[in-house]
Amino acid sequence: QVQLQQSGPGLVKPSQTLSLTCAISGDSVFSNSAAWNWIRQSPSRGLEWLGRTYYRSKWYNDYAVSVKSRITINPDTSKNQFSLQLNSVTPEDTAVYYCAREGNGYNSWFDSWGQGTLVTVSS
Amino acid sequence: NFMLTQPHSVSESQGKTVTISCTRSSGNIASNYVQWYQQRPGSSPTTVIYENNQRPSGVPDRFSGSIDSSSNSASLTISGLKTEDEADYYCQSYDNSNQVFGGGTKLTVL
Repeated sequence: QVQLQQSGPGLVKPSQTLSLTCAISGDSVFSNSAAWNWIRQSPSRGLEWLGRTYYRSKWYNDYAVSVKSRITINPDTSKNQFSLQLNSVTPEDTAVYYCAREGNGYNSWFDSWGQGTLVTVSS
Repeated sequence: NFMLTQPHSVSESQGKTVTISCTRSSGNIASNYVQWYQQRPGSSPTTVIYENNQRPSGVPDRFSGSIDSSSNSASLTISGLKTEDEADYYCQSYDNSNQVFGGGTKLTVL
């Protein structure tokens, strides 16, 4: 059974970088049938997909247009985890952030979710 | 990109049947699979329907999904409503390299 464990700070100052990590157990970040995603949820935006990373002989990334200029999702193969970095944050980036696995290839469904991390952007 | 539109809320009595709709704004609903997630307060979403009408193991057969090309929409139907079904429900689909969620529907079981 796949488990995703999130870690990272819950408070980030405006204009700084939001950084979160998602540790994978029960699967591999190198899986050829999975994609590793970040999704956020706020009252104003609902569930919003941010992007993903996946391995198909090499690493690929897809990012949502809304955050494409500010986001990086990277695998950490030595620790079997992946990370989110969101630059130049504003209060509008305040949300609960989830990592999630697409377990049937990319453009499928999210079959495993992390526990969620509330990130508040405030000085 | 397209949007998925859901009603903000629905309510129905225990034991009855409720249907939640999810309408795609552009593009054919049948072009890409639709999924449904249940989210209870304070918890992460869980899948109740994937690939339009498939139930993950452990999801009761009271939950069913369908799509309707004539209205370009998907539907989640829950029969024999129980108080434990009270939650938020989200539809999700995709196109190209982009995932899209509906705005969510709050289900109240009376």
